Amino acid sequence: DTEVTQTPKHLVMGMTNKKSLKCEQHMGHRAMYWYKQKAKKPPELMFVYSYEKLSINESVPSRFSPECPNSSLLNLHLHALQPEDSALYLCASSQDRASGDRADTQYFGPGTRLTVL
Amino acid sequence: GEDVEQSLFLSVREGDSSVINCTYTDSSSTYLYWYKQEPGAGLQLLTYIFSNMDMKQDQRLTVLLNKKDKHLSLRIADTQTGDSAIYFCAERGSYDKVIFGPGTSLSVIP
Repeated sequence: DTEVTQTPKHLVMGMTNKKSLKCEQHMGHRAMYWYKQKAKKPPELMFVYSYEKLSINESVPSRFSPECPNSSLLNLHLHALQPEDSALYLCASSQDRASGDRADTQYFGPGTRLTVL
Repeated sequence: GEDVEQSLFLSVREGDSSVINCTYTDSSSTYLYWYKQEPGAGLQLLTYIFSNMDMKQDQRLTVLLNKKDKHLSLRIADTQTGDSAIYFCAERGSYDKVIFGPGTSLSVIP
C-alpha cells in the first residue's frame, strides 16, 4: 500500500473561518510533509514532521498551524486565511528524513483544493 | 544555491518518443526524481535515480544522468495520450529537502 489519503478533496472557506485539512498514511513512514501548490507551479514546502516532531517550518505564516497527532496522521489547521492562500495543499510522506543510501522517496496524496473567499 | 530548471512545454505525436530535460545545480545531490502530475491530482512518483548511476530503465521510461553536466533526462517511449501531464524533475538537496523544477507540460497529439 503506497497510498496517502487527504480529506477533504475540496474546501471553500471565508476569511474568518477555522478549518482543518487531514492527511493519513499507513506505510509506516516516519516523515510527513505539507506542500502548497499554486496553479502551474511546482509544490512549495511548508512543513516537515520527522518522528512526530516538527523539524522544518519554511517561514509559514501562523495562520497555518500543523499538527501530528501520531505517526500516521498529519493535520493542517487553518484560521483567518487570505484569498491568496487559495491553492492545492499536498501532503506527502517518506520512510525517514535521514538520507543514508536510501532514496527516501516522498509519496504524495491527491491534495485538497482550497478556495478562500 | 539549489536550483532545478526545465523547459516549460513539450508537444509530441502519439507513438513518438518524448524526452524531457532537466538541469540542476547542487552537485551534492544524492537522488534525482521524476514526478508526474495530471490535472487536479497530486504528484505521482515515476522513477528516481541515484547519483552514482548514469542510466535507469523501467518499462517505457528511461532516465539518463550526466553528473558532470548536472543534466537529467526522462525519455518516454511510445508516448500515449494518457501521458499528457506536467512532469516535475526534483533533486534531493541540502537538509534532505526535495527541490522541484518548474515542471514541463507534455501535450500528446493524437
